[in-house]
Amino acid sequence: DAGITQSPRYKITETGRQVTLMCHQTWSHSYMFWYRQDLGHGLRLIYYSAAADITDKGEVSDGYVVSRSKTENFPLTLESATRSQTSVYFCASSDPGQGAGELFFGEGSRLTVL
Amino acid sequence: AQSVSQHNHHVILSEAASLELGCNYSYGGTVNLFWYVQYPGQHLQLLLKYFSGDPLVKGIKGFEAEFIKSKFSFNLRKPSVQWSDTAEYFCAVNAWSNTGKLIFGQGTTLQVKP
Repeated sequence: DAGITQSPRYKITETGRQVTLMCHQTWSHSYMFWYRQDLGHGLRLIYYSAAADITDKGEVSDGYVVSRSKTENFPLTLESATRSQTSVYFCASSDPGQGAGELFFGEGSRLTVL
Repeated sequence: AQSVSQHNHHVILSEAASLELGCNYSYGGTVNLFWYVQYPGQHLQLLLKYFSGDPLVKGIKGFEAEFIKSKFSFNLRKPSVQWSDTAEYFCAVNAWSNTGKLIFGQGTTLQVKP
């Protein structure tokens, strides 16, 4: 099915472990984003990417790493998970040619760090 | 730094009541404005958006929003809410044209009592 898919949907891990959240989109959108959603903070941008091999930090990028070797994939890695990274993570994509700023979101990945 | 503020964090209404959710942003230049909705357990979906033109925009499910440039506001309204409108609502601003890099407000949880 066309769209944007995230995996895993739910993940429990321990402090210090490396975790990778996957994001895949089938629209060939050039822009992709990772947000985290926390109570009282809304959605905060972690990283974004304008195209393959082009990434940039958002407002809460510490402790996270991204890569984008292919247009359709944008994995987010927590190099050494901490409890403060317990959150719901949303991947999103957009196509600037079809309405700047309209994001299409995945279903979210709920991460718990023990 | 650009920011978005939603004044109401938790709103409780009875069915058929009118709704208005406040949203203010801080940015002096051209902006694109959005309202997203997140139903329980689901991902964010676009309700409506403003890019230019008529400052009163209509979205899905009977929602509308008015852009008042002088007040840096983009309030969401609905004349008569339904139980199915129970959700979290996010205002977002794109101050960087064609990047899709949205700044979100903290969100407003709307609870509609049947």
